[in-house]
Amino acid sequence: QVQLVESGGDVVQPGRSLRLSCAASGFTFSGYAIHWVRQAPGKGLEWVAVVSYDGINKYYADSVKGRFTISRDNSNNTLYLQMNSLRSEDTAVYYCARPNSGTYYGPVDYWGQGTLVTVSS
Amino acid sequence: EIVLTQSPDFQSVTPKEKVTITCRASQSIGSNLHWYQQKPDQSPKLLIKYASQSISGVPSRFSGSGSGTDFTLTINSLEAEDAAAYYCHQSSSLPHAFGGGTKVEIK
Repeated sequence: QVQLVESGGDVVQPGRSLRLSCAASGFTFSGYAIHWVRQAPGKGLEWVAVVSYDGINKYYADSVKGRFTISRDNSNNTLYLQMNSLRSEDTAVYYCARPNSGTYYGPVDYWGQGTLVTVSS
Repeated sequence: EIVLTQSPDFQSVTPKEKVTITCRASQSIGSNLHWYQQKPDQSPKLLIKYASQSISGVPSRFSGSGSGTDFTLTINSLEAEDAAAYYCHQSSSLPHAFGGGTKVEIK
């Protein structure tokens, strides 16, 4: 069955960096674009970034552009989110999310359980 | 950039009542609108795709309608297990966007 397992969440100080991982299994990882979506405590869902199936094309929300980098390792079925210059407003649960088609478009049919990032001094 | 405006923010409903949640897009997105349910401490779950297409395993009391800029999620005969937050999501263009969410409470 499809599984997405995020890891790497932690408490970090403002301005520091953190890298999240998402280990995928149960499907052909290299055939799917994958999103990162976040949710601040008690708030709604916010789309963060997406990477194409081959890792070449990447798109970001304006709120993270220039600070976050999405990448993937198809040989290890793993998605990453490198987060630099972290701010308090980046505090959230971060989900990796698979669209039901292989492309950027379409609904998300599988979500990970999320990993919590807390940015605080 | 497309913005999704969801209403209401909160709804307190008696079991067996009908619930209607609306989602308005800032520009036309065709039928590229999807609905999710999120219960406390859980990941979102896909309820309806492409505005009105049902999802296997989702109870038939959940339905969606609309196209272009105006969309509706309807829960017929609300059950206690439907207490959750509901979100719309547009995948028509990048950046994707989610609505602000609607929290449904059972009276």
